[in-house]
Amino acid sequence: SAVISQKPSRDICQRGTSLTIQCQVDSQVTMMFWYRQQPGQSLTLIATANQGSEATYESGFVIDKFPISRPNLTFSTLTVSNMSPEDSSIYLCSVTRGARNEQFFGPGTRLTVL
Amino acid sequence: DAKTTQPPSMDCAEGRAANLPCNHSTISGNEYVYWYRQIHSQGPQYIIHGLKNNETNEMASLIITEDRKSSTLILPHATLRDTAVYYCIVRVVQETSGSRLTFGEGTQLTVNP
Repeated sequence: SAVISQKPSRDICQRGTSLTIQCQVDSQVTMMFWYRQQPGQSLTLIATANQGSEATYESGFVIDKFPISRPNLTFSTLTVSNMSPEDSSIYLCSVTRGARNEQFFGPGTRLTVL
Repeated sequence: DAKTTQPPSMDCAEGRAANLPCNHSTISGNEYVYWYRQIHSQGPQYIIHGLKNNETNEMASLIITEDRKSSTLILPHATLRDTAVYYCIVRVVQETSGSRLTFGEGTQLTVNP
């Protein structure tokens, strides 16, 4: 398995501000992903964080709203920009590792936007 | 990725086996069946996966029908800590680029004392 940490674990923010979430993995991984889980709902993929190139976003998510960085094979950040209450969610970092690209998840960042 | 169908909720008595069904009638030949669970306020946890043979590990057993159109996750002796949302996911495993998981609604399993 992979040891994945996220910072912050939770935050309460004012609308219009931005928050950057960090994801750190204990060793190099090929793929890193960012998911969102809105209250009472399942997980939705935001984007794939590519090392050394721009992230690949899923339909409905754009770089201006969710800029992502991945400077190396163990670290990524997701920024939630110009936040509104609708952005209140748990944001999860995920990585793939192993011969079968098994996927592991971080503990999540619980964001509340007032 | 093929779509999956799971019952929204199930109950199980502590100490009994929990059998969670999943339908994936449109699964293709190169898609694996994965099971994850999410305990409240935590990130999803990998449980088990398989292609066509039944699989067993320390957490659970996975039974896949011969036509691969459905599967069952079995927790042999459910405990209160197994209360969680269980997700059945089918996906192609891409060796080079990896593949992301598409989550459905899952099954809320409640283990009762």
